[in-house]
Amino acid sequence: RKEVEQDPGPFNVPEGATVAFNCTYSNSASQSFFWYRQDCRKEPKLLMSVYSSGNEDGRFTAQLNRASQYISLLIRDSKLSDSATYLCVVVPVEGNKLVFGAGTILRVKS
Amino acid sequence: DAGVTQSPTHLIKTRGQHVTLRCSPISGHKSVSWYQQVLGQGPQFIFQYYEKEERGRGNFPDRFSARQFPNYSSELNVNALLLGDSALYLCASSLWGHTENTGELFFGEGSRLTVL
Repeated sequence: RKEVEQDPGPFNVPEGATVAFNCTYSNSASQSFFWYRQDCRKEPKLLMSVYSSGNEDGRFTAQLNRASQYISLLIRDSKLSDSATYLCVVVPVEGNKLVFGAGTILRVKS
Repeated sequence: DAGVTQSPTHLIKTRGQHVTLRCSPISGHKSVSWYQQVLGQGPQFIFQYYEKEERGRGNFPDRFSARQFPNYSSELNVNALLLGDSALYLCASSLWGHTENTGELFFGEGSRLTVL
């Protein structure tokens, strides 16, 4: 079983749509969680941190459910510029690395 | 301010050759990590160095090695290249070392290695 699992998509949505991505992780001792964004043939960049209490940044909301070992990302009012691969990231207890999921592809169309 | 810089950006090698990839972290960052990203997959951890010491090693064979220099730049070496080593090699720098992981890594644009 992979440490971090995501639906690869692609998710094809129209502009203005709301889209949600999910991610599960296998190690219950994992200490912290993030979403990274990666544009085509570019490097990954931190999008936002994920907390049990939820984290909102503009149109983006991230949520962590430790009991279910489940992480989510909600994007409201999708823009063309949101088209990218969204990587779910977990920091294991040893803390010296990031463990990435394979990514979920989002395509926003006009 | 310069971000993380990597060289070369693209390279083609043949099986059995070796390769050296180079990385300069953001000024002030003492931690450098290396990740391998195969097409269609997320980055996979190879090494982390902090203050010139290896702080973590991923599940890669001994053909992969790295080091960090006194100026915090780093090299990744891969010997006896295999076709399966074809990937984007990402270097990332951060302020954090081991226990104070904020999760934010700043990645370079990567070195795209093709092994023929």
